Amino acid sequence: DIQMTQSPSSLSASVGDRVAITCRASQSIATYLNWYQQKPGKAPKLLIYGASTLQSGVPARFSGSGSGTDFTLTISNLQPEDFATYYCQQSYRTLFTFGPGTKVEIK
Amino acid sequence: EVLLVESGGGLVQPGMSLRLSCAASGFTFDDYAMQWVRQAPGKGLEWVSGISWNGGTIDYADSVKGRFTISRDNAKNSLYLQMNSLRSEDTALYYCTRAAATIAFRPLDYWGQGTLVTISS
Repeated sequence: DIQMTQSPSSLSASVGDRVAITCRASQSIATYLNWYQQKPGKAPKLLIYGASTLQSGVPARFSGSGSGTDFTLTISNLQPEDFATYYCQQSYRTLFTFGPGTKVEIK
Repeated sequence: EVLLVESGGGLVQPGMSLRLSCAASGFTFDDYAMQWVRQAPGKGLEWVSGISWNGGTIDYADSVKGRFTISRDNAKNSLYLQMNSLRSEDTALYYCTRAAATIAFRPLDYWGQGTLVTISS
């Protein structure tokens, strides 16, 4: 199975900051990498698919990059509604796997 | 509007069984692969199982293989998860999700609100 790791596990940031979350796969997954946002008590929401394509309706301050084994989710100009937990997920193999999550908290 | 509504969760004892259901509406159900994803209390997301549009391809996470069975009834726009030999570590909120059909990367573009399964004696 493909294992996914994320770093950091949590971070504190202020409104207006630029933050970056890293996701790493245990083997190459090309760009079969998706990002989700989850707020407390809510279902996850798809943000980015194919490593860099923004899902419809997602603000342009979110961006994704990477290929192979290393990926990054960047949030520019962090907004109050962006404080949440972010998960990466590989869809290269049909046994989908998620990263452990990164919690973005208010500083 | 795409809607996924899970049901069937509850409190059961270890070793017992449960059957989860997911009622889908607002899209052509048999055009899409479907997945179950779970989240233990206070923990991260764990992919559980997936099924292709016609049921021809089915996959399971190692943690549930041999105990859980995914199925679908396209005539009823419904997805199911039969869970047998339940363990305390199966305690979680179970989400029904849709895998985007026309996108090669198969992201999970719609999620239900989840149904809670609690395994305890």
